[in-house]
Amino acid sequence: DTGVSQDPRHKITKRGQNVTFRCDPISEHNRLYWYRQTLGQGPEFLTYFQNEAQLEKSRLLSDRFSAERPKGSFSTLEIQRTEQGDSAMYLCASSPGASGYEQYFGPGTRLTVT
Amino acid sequence: GDSVTQMEGPVTLSEEACLTINCTYTATGYPSLFWYVQYPGEGLQLLLKATKADDKGSNKGFEATYRKETTSFHLEKGSVQVSDSAVYFCALSEPGGSNYKLTFGKGTLLTVNP
Repeated sequence: DTGVSQDPRHKITKRGQNVTFRCDPISEHNRLYWYRQTLGQGPEFLTYFQNEAQLEKSRLLSDRFSAERPKGSFSTLEIQRTEQGDSAMYLCASSPGASGYEQYFGPGTRLTVT
Repeated sequence: GDSVTQMEGPVTLSEEACLTINCTYTATGYPSLFWYVQYPGEGLQLLLKATKADDKGSNKGFEATYRKETTSFHLEKGSVQVSDSAVYFCALSEPGGSNYKLTFGKGTLLTVNP
């Protein structure tokens, strides 16, 4: 199965530490998205890449958050100086773009900040 | 901005009962509409979609019709099974910005009892 994969699946960190998550999209999908989902809520858009270019960032993405997609393949999402309010499920999705815009989601990374 | 409103859950049904989960949306243009499903312990999966008015999306016995006049996309199934127990999310994608990011509702938890 060559679906979207995310690593790690779970991360527990202490407040103030930095964390980095990885997403591997479906190969040849040129669009990649990050979302955040908190308990009892639907996913909320964070940022979007088309190939290696980051084309949109949500206001939810504070300066402590940074995302990259070098070479238009996998993507990383880093959170610096984590806060308890960052505790959430971080979801990655990819899409083939011009040939269809359904988004295919990974299993997510659950972050707990203590 | 764009928004999606879903009927609040949880919804509890007996096997073979009829299901309707209401979804209405607000969008500035002509969005595409989606239902995603999240089974326990799994990632979001696309259940069905509709891209223009009066389109009917269908999959696994579920159906939803894009109603532009009522800005609705209600999910229906005639006879639910225990295996349908999951959280269901209504979502829209506004093509005007060309990023096709998804805006989700809060989700509706469905529990089907044998």
